[in-house]
Amino acid sequence: EVQLVESGGGLVKPGGSLRLSCAASGFTFNSFAMNWVRQAPGKGLEWVSSIGTGSSFIYYADSVRGRFTISRDDAKNSLYLQMNSLRAEDTAVYYCARDRAVAGANHFDYWGQGTLVTVSS
Amino acid sequence: DIVMTQSPPSLPVTPGEPASISCRSSQSLLHSNGYNYLDWYVQKPGQSPQLLIYLGSNRASGVPDRFSGSGSGTDFTLKISRVEAEDVGVYYCMQVLDTPGFTFGPGTKVDIK
Repeated sequence: EVQLVESGGGLVKPGGSLRLSCAASGFTFNSFAMNWVRQAPGKGLEWVSSIGTGSSFIYYADSVRGRFTISRDDAKNSLYLQMNSLRAEDTAVYYCARDRAVAGANHFDYWGQGTLVTVSS
Repeated sequence: DIVMTQSPPSLPVTPGEPASISCRSSQSLLHSNGYNYLDWYVQKPGQSPQLLIYLGSNRASGVPDRFSGSGSGTDFTLKISRVEAEDVGVYYCMQVLDTPGFTFGPGTKVDIK
């Protein structure tokens, strides 16, 4: 059974940093690209970042580029999101999602339960 | 960036009746390979989003056949042939053509009348 378990969320002050983790199991982690998607309270979904297999590609949304860093450790079956210079507008539930490529397109076929990041003074 | 819009924002439905959600993109999502790079997701109350439809019309694993996706280019539709109580939630379309820069629609909230 595919499982994705996020951790590392919490309350942080504006300008602070936080590192999110996503522990994967039930599939061959190093064979899949991975993603972070966030959802502000009461709002819709926003794609944040993607990383390819072997870190072959890394993409960021404009809203986080230069502040967030995605990485992966295939030996630990883990995905990470280092978030620096956090702003109030980064407050959201952060989901990790597995990327299943079909016909050259990316589809998020499994999602974790999410971890809440709150940026507030 | 490709902008996604959805209508209606809210859709009260009667169990057993059909339902339809529209999604439009600011640019064509038809790839040169013939596929439409448009997915549908549903987020049921208190749950994480889950993939429903990929490449415009392909049901994801385990998705009941009462769900269908159609459309091409900039106009897409998600249809539920006979709504069940378990189908309540927020439905999102998402374009996966613009790499990087995937964008979701604003969502359509489906609930029972």
